[in-house]
Amino acid sequence: AQSVTQLDSQVPVFEEAPVELRCNYSSSVSVYLFWYVQYPNQGLQLLLKYLSGSTLVKGINGFEAEFNKSQTSFHLRKPSVHISDTAEYFCAALNTGGFKTIFGAGTRLFVKA
Amino acid sequence: GAGVSQSPSNKVTEKGKDVELRCDPISGHTALYWYRQRLGQGLEFLIYFQGNSAPDKSGLPSDRFSAERTGESVSTLTIQRTQQEDSAVYLCASSISGGETQYFGPGTRLLVL
Repeated sequence: AQSVTQLDSQVPVFEEAPVELRCNYSSSVSVYLFWYVQYPNQGLQLLLKYLSGSTLVKGINGFEAEFNKSQTSFHLRKPSVHISDTAEYFCAALNTGGFKTIFGAGTRLFVKA
Repeated sequence: GAGVSQSPSNKVTEKGKDVELRCDPISGHTALYWYRQRLGQGLEFLIYFQGNSAPDKSGLPSDRFSAERTGESVSTLTIQRTQQEDSAVYLCASSISGGETQYFGPGTRLLVL
């Protein structure tokens, strides 16, 4: 992957509303795609990943993402967010067979009561 | 088992001093990564180790930065003659054999005065 773009730096949303965090990547080869989450004052942890197969990937805490090769996108969605989902979310891409993961700049999700 | 650990968790230093940051990866993980995360920005790749060798040092910002890994375990990132622009969170991650899922430590927050 050459670059990963997260289109929104901040996303405020009310509790129980749906949310979509957008991610686009550029690469001349096939890629693995990831979403990591960083809760306040904690390290990054894997939310979900796409390696191959079904383009709809389900992760922890009710999140899912859909790989769209034609649009080079990997948007993250959740149908109903909780206050506890407030965190920074990072999209990342890795060329298959490679080792250098490229991270986006992050999207700060802020869930309001 | 234990996750990735990093020390110190916080480091305040004066401009011009040298600092050493430590990372203990998950036992058995042969791949180890260092990243820098400046305030409000994404993760910036610094260096990758496979075992004790570093096939990719391309992300090190300058010759003031160096890293080593011994015994396929602990790694240290050294910054010589620190500058204020070195202030950031330095994250370490490990993975089983390189690529795919990385497991992150909590980071070292470095502040250069």
